[in-house]
Amino acid sequence: GAGVSQSPSNKVTEKGKDVELRCDPISGHTALYWYRQSLGQGLEFLIYFQGNSAPDKSGLPSDRFSAERTGGSVSTLTIQRTQQEDSAVYLCASSRTLRGRGGVSTDTQYFGPGTRLTVL
Amino acid sequence: KQEVTQIPAALSVPEGENLVLNCSFTDSAIYNLQWFRQDPGKGLTSLLLIQSSQREQTSGRLNASLDKSSGRSTLYIAASQPGDSATYLCAVVSRSGAGSYQLTFGKGTKLSVIP
Repeated sequence: GAGVSQSPSNKVTEKGKDVELRCDPISGHTALYWYRQSLGQGLEFLIYFQGNSAPDKSGLPSDRFSAERTGGSVSTLTIQRTQQEDSAVYLCASSRTLRGRGGVSTDTQYFGPGTRLTVL
Repeated sequence: KQEVTQIPAALSVPEGENLVLNCSFTDSAIYNLQWFRQDPGKGLTSLLLIQSSQREQTSGRLNASLDKSSGRSTLYIAASQPGDSATYLCAVVSRSGAGSYQLTFGKGTKLSVIP
């Protein structure tokens, strides 16, 4: 497949359990982003990776949230001790990184289909 | 299938000018519409969220309108500044399937404000 893929597509878990969400970006895309969308809310930025490092972690809502990326490709978002307010659709996006005279910038972001997380 | 179109794809204006960015969507049964700003090397920054029952939202120099029946939204930026240079994205949330909803983004308008 040529697009961004995410798994699982749906996850139902009990409050207090840990969950792990996976994102496979488009091959060759060095930039990777995680967002979440809660019902009735807009898209909320969580974290951004450039390669394997995360220069922007400003959106992580609490220390229960963590993310890693290995090999400059697959990324996992882990939520520990899930709470009901964590219920949302978690979206991943990837993009190319453009390096020009003006510095580093990223190209259009391509989004995956999302993982719908429901915490009971 | 919901489709979101943004016009123009790129726009260059002199500092101080007022400008309008356009967004259109094909399915008017939306839940809400959101305008984002995307800066190089950063994630999306939410600018304005308009619920389907609302017609406009304002924040500082920004004003977004929504005409759900015609499938259109506009983002008005007053007295543009070089710091406004970024890509502006429009996204709609609409219901699909059995209780699920989908998020559809436009491709964005790349704005350059020239000092």
